Amino acid sequence: DTVLTQSPALAVSPGERVTISCRASESVSTLMHWYQQKPGQQPTLLIYLASNLESGVPARFSGSGSGTDFTLTIDPVEADDTATYYCQQSWNDPWTFGGGTKLELK
Amino acid sequence: QVQLKESGPGLVQPSQTLSLTCTVSGFSLTSYSVHWVRQHSGKSLEWMGRMWSDGDTSYNSAFTSRLSISRDTSKSQVFLKMNSLQTEDTGTYYCARLGADWYFDFWGPGTMVTVSS
Repeated sequence: DTVLTQSPALAVSPGERVTISCRASESVSTLMHWYQQKPGQQPTLLIYLASNLESGVPARFSGSGSGTDFTLTIDPVEADDTATYYCQQSWNDPWTFGGGTKLELK
Repeated sequence: QVQLKESGPGLVQPSQTLSLTCTVSGFSLTSYSVHWVRQHSGKSLEWMGRMWSDGDTSYNSAFTSRLSISRDTSKSQVFLKMNSLQTEDTGTYYCARLGADWYFDFWGPGTMVTVSS
């Protein structure tokens, strides 16, 4: 299975820029997507195909990468961005998710 | 608008079979693929399997032969059946629609399943 590795947690101050990384154990081309999940809620799509912003998602969110290394950037971070962020690949079966990065605001 | 909603028993006894229903609206099951994803409490997400728009299915091998996904297009429902449940199957089960470029664009709110005697 394709393992997606994310840092478990980050803490930043509002207004700062934060980058969340996701490293794949093998290439996933650009079939990497990012989701935000707030406590008690279902995940919601932020970025698809590595760098495409989902409709309705603030332009503060952006994504980049291809192959095995991907990044989700939030700039600037707002208080409402407190959540867990997951990467997910749909290149190799079975599709897999990263372990999630919990973003906390200072 | 697009909506998905999971429903199920909430509590299942060990070794029994879990049956969940995903009822969708705002789109046709013959045009979109629907997937099942589960999440252990406080943990990451795990892709379980998919129902393609043409009725074909495929599963995560982690579930070997325990898992079955089916559908009733006339009722806009997708079903999950998983047998031989153990306590480690406790978690929240989501159904999600697959978007055009193989991402999950809409998710149901999830249904919590507890496996306990």
